[in-house]
Amino acid sequence: NAGVTQTPKFRVLKTGQSMTLLCAQDMNHEYMYWYRQDPGMGLRLIHYSVGEGTTAKGEVPDGYNVSRLKKQNFLLGLESAAPSQTSVYFCASSSTGGFRQPQHFGDGTRLSIL
Amino acid sequence: ILNVEQSPQSLHVQEGDSTNFTCSFPSSNFYALHWYRWETAKSPEALFVMTLNGDEKKKGRISATLNTKEGYSYLYIKGSQPEDSATYLCASHGSSNTGKLIFGQGTTLQVKP
Repeated sequence: NAGVTQTPKFRVLKTGQSMTLLCAQDMNHEYMYWYRQDPGMGLRLIHYSVGEGTTAKGEVPDGYNVSRLKKQNFLLGLESAAPSQTSVYFCASSSTGGFRQPQHFGDGTRLSIL
Repeated sequence: ILNVEQSPQSLHVQEGDSTNFTCSFPSSNFYALHWYRWETAKSPEALFVMTLNGDEKKKGRISATLNTKEGYSYLYIKGSQPEDSATYLCASHGSSNTGKLIFGQGTTLQVKP
C-alpha cells in the first residue's frame, strides 16, 4: 500500500552541488507534480507532468529540471543547488488532471543547501 | 495566478468545541475547490473536492460548504478532538486540463484536551 514514495527523505547539500529527487507512485496515475513548501507560504508548484514523456513548468520552475521517462516515476533535478532552494519538497499524483480528482502526496523530502 | 486566502492562520480550541475556517478564492474561472488535512510529519491528505455552487460535503465530524458566486468555502469541525489537530489546506483549480492547484497558506488547528 505504498502510494507515493519520495527518496531521499532528508539531504544536505553544499551550494553548487547537484542532486536528483525521486518520486515513485504505484497507483497508475497519469498526472504527477512537484511542489515546494516554505514557511509562511502555501505549497507552490514547481513542475508537473500530464503523462509519460511530458513535462511542464509550474509556478516556480527556475533552477529545477524534471523528467518523466516512466509513467510511475517523476524526477526533480537541481543542477547547481542554491541556498534559496532550501525547502521541503512534495511530490503528488492524481488519476487524471481533471479538477474532480484529489491529489495524493508523498511524505516529503527535506533539503538543506549550505 | 489565482490568490487563495485562508483565515484564520492559526486557531486554538478546547476539546469539544466546534470550529470553522474560511477559504477565499477568485470566483471567476472557477473549476474546483479542494480541502486537505495535513498532520505534522505526514503528507497532506485529501478531505473533499467540491465543484458546484451550494455543494456540501461531510466526512464524520468534518463538513464543508462552497459558494462559487462569492468565492468562499467554509470547513466546519463539530466537537473538536485532539486528533483533529493539523493544518487544513484549501486549494483552487485554475485549469480544467492539468489539475494544477493553487494552495492557500493553511489554517493550523490545535485542539487542547
